[in-house]
Amino acid sequence: GEDVEQSLFLSVREGDSSVINCTYTDSSSTYLYWYKQEPGAGLQLLTYIFSNMDMKQDQRLTVLLNKKDKHLSLRIADTQTGDSAIYFCAGRVSGGYNKLIFGAGTRLAVHP
Amino acid sequence: DTAVSQTPKYLVTQMGNDKSIKCEQNLGHDTMYWYKQDSKKFLKIMFSYNNKELIINETVPNRFSPKSPDKAHLNLHINSLELGDSAVYFCASSQERRNTIYFGEGSWLTVV
Repeated sequence: GEDVEQSLFLSVREGDSSVINCTYTDSSSTYLYWYKQEPGAGLQLLTYIFSNMDMKQDQRLTVLLNKKDKHLSLRIADTQTGDSAIYFCAGRVSGGYNKLIFGAGTRLAVHP
Repeated sequence: DTAVSQTPKYLVTQMGNDKSIKCEQNLGHDTMYWYKQDSKKFLKIMFSYNNKELIINETVPNRFSPKSPDKAHLNLHINSLELGDSAVYFCASSQERRNTIYFGEGSWLTVV
């Protein structure tokens, strides 16, 4: 089955770019997602990318997908303290029903 | 307006009790889910209903029983609560064959 892996921690300086990486195993995953979870809060859908795309940009967020290497990344430009959160990568299992397999989450800490 | 709402947000209860968490979505979606997030922030799907029919049932103890009275509601009932049931339970919804899955704010369950 699908397995999704992420590095657990990332620390960046305010104003720098953050890059959060994710690898997945199921090459037939049709959609890949990024969710954000702030402390004590729910999961916020940030963006998603379809598997036939290489890149998707949405304001400060850029998603890159390398399907050959099964590698997904989320770049946050001009990182702010409000971006401090846990970022989850998730793959949608092939076969329908929108079953998501989540990575363990990357805790992003933004410091002045 | 909250799209996916769960109640209660916080619940502290004793071992052996029976409790329910309710979920409602006002997005007109036909598919709803329950996910569990453990103390290490790991998220895993438990159940999914499509048009009130159970379509995903992961390896979950049968003390957990989902109930979907209609497409807009998916409740989670837990019998004989155990310490290991302490977690955050997230409800989510989506429209079948669409790619966006929206999560509620989570219900923090603590069993003492």
